Amino acid sequence: NAGVTQTPKFRILKIGQSMTLQCTQDMNHNYMYWYRQDPGMGLKLIYYSVGAGITDKGEVPNGYNVSRSTTEDFPLRLELAAPSQTSVYFCASSRDSTNYEQYFGPGTRLTVT
Amino acid sequence: GDSVTQMEGPVTLSEEAFLTINCTYTATGYPSLFWYVQYPGEGLQLLLKATKADDKGSNKGFEATYRKETTSFHLEKGSVQVSDSAVYFCALSDQLTGGGNKLTFGTGTQLKVEL
Repeated sequence: NAGVTQTPKFRILKIGQSMTLQCTQDMNHNYMYWYRQDPGMGLKLIYYSVGAGITDKGEVPNGYNVSRSTTEDFPLRLELAAPSQTSVYFCASSRDSTNYEQYFGPGTRLTVT
Repeated sequence: GDSVTQMEGPVTLSEEAFLTINCTYTATGYPSLFWYVQYPGEGLQLLLKATKADDKGSNKGFEATYRKETTSFHLEKGSVQVSDSAVYFCALSDQLTGGGNKLTFGTGTQLKVEL
């Protein structure tokens, strides 16, 4: 089992560029999440999904979009990158709503200049 | 809304010292409580959890007890090792309206253990 994998590990974007952060899990988990971690701060929830075809906003969704076409994949899209989106992005998954443990990927460090 | 407050770091200890990292929370209802650990360059890993008042979570020599009366979930370890050097996050879980659960994290406490 690879668990939760994320690509790329690092990326530098110019202001206004777009990119997609990839996230894949092989645990057949229904629930998937995207968080961002800013320096000295805890993680903030961006978007989440309770199953294929179903997504919803978290605390800080502005500037991002997601889709969930399969159980395994949950990509995060940045359409017009801004310096405020410089952060470390973590994808996570959990089995169901009664099992609270979330499994995290290794993260993507994004810099927007 | 829900929030988690944990002691600021960095915390620097000598090997075999006793560790306490304080965590208090504010929440409506009765959330589950967690400690996650993040080693350098890696994602977060669940260290331990407690799902109801007076539960004690434990793993790898770390312990934390869910104290409803003081809304606390302090992390302790009797004898730390260099390999315990990491950032520790306290978190609580609350259900999302659409299903699944949302983790609310504290800001993290960096622990450095020296020989």
